[in-house]
Amino acid sequence: GAGVSQSPRYKVAKRGQDVALRCDPISGHVSLFWYQQALGQGPEFLTYFQNEAQLDKSGLPSDRFFAERPEGSVSTLKIQRTQQEDSAVYLCASSAGQGNTEAFFGQGTRLTVV
Amino acid sequence: SQQGEEDPQALSIQEGENATMNCSYKTSINNLQWYRQNSGRGLVHLILIRSNEREKHSGRLRVTLDTSKKSSSLLITASRAADTASYFCATVDTGGFKTIFGAGTRLFVKA
Repeated sequence: GAGVSQSPRYKVAKRGQDVALRCDPISGHVSLFWYQQALGQGPEFLTYFQNEAQLDKSGLPSDRFFAERPEGSVSTLKIQRTQQEDSAVYLCASSAGQGNTEAFFGQGTRLTVV
Repeated sequence: SQQGEEDPQALSIQEGENATMNCSYKTSINNLQWYRQNSGRGLVHLILIRSNEREKHSGRLRVTLDTSKKSSSLLITASRAADTASYFCATVDTGGFKTIFGAGTRLFVKA
């Protein structure tokens, strides 16, 4: 596609519910990143994939967060047993080569846990 | 946790004036990037400066990097109302991929 696509754009979850957020990166992009952005703050790094390999997951806040990219293209960020503090915008970005030399961001998924 | 700290947190200027934003960071980097975010277009990459570069230009943007002081600045010349947005610096670690954003500078350009 022309850009990074994320779905859904908005998600309201009841506390304790599991959610899955999808990211379609730019076709052919090797690197994929997930970030969490709280209101009024900069994005916080969650995890990084190079093709299907998850090279860094140090930013995932807890073991309730899980990300995968099984075929090296589409990625899913799953949050189990959502809590109110998980409410944020989740951003996905991709870049053509290894690492981050120019990342293209999707519009994000705004998650609200009620 | 966020590495970069932008200064000022907010900036309001008249159209046509220049805007300068500063960023400080804490660890060694591979490169430093500036991004713009507004509600219409999301987060957009503006410019990248590598750790061995000191200055870079792109259109109305000028970025400087001082690795000895662990700081960078972004200058936007002849600002326009459309430049109204939040601006973030982002450092990429020496591994080349872990990207840490600052809290951002909110720029408001009055027409």
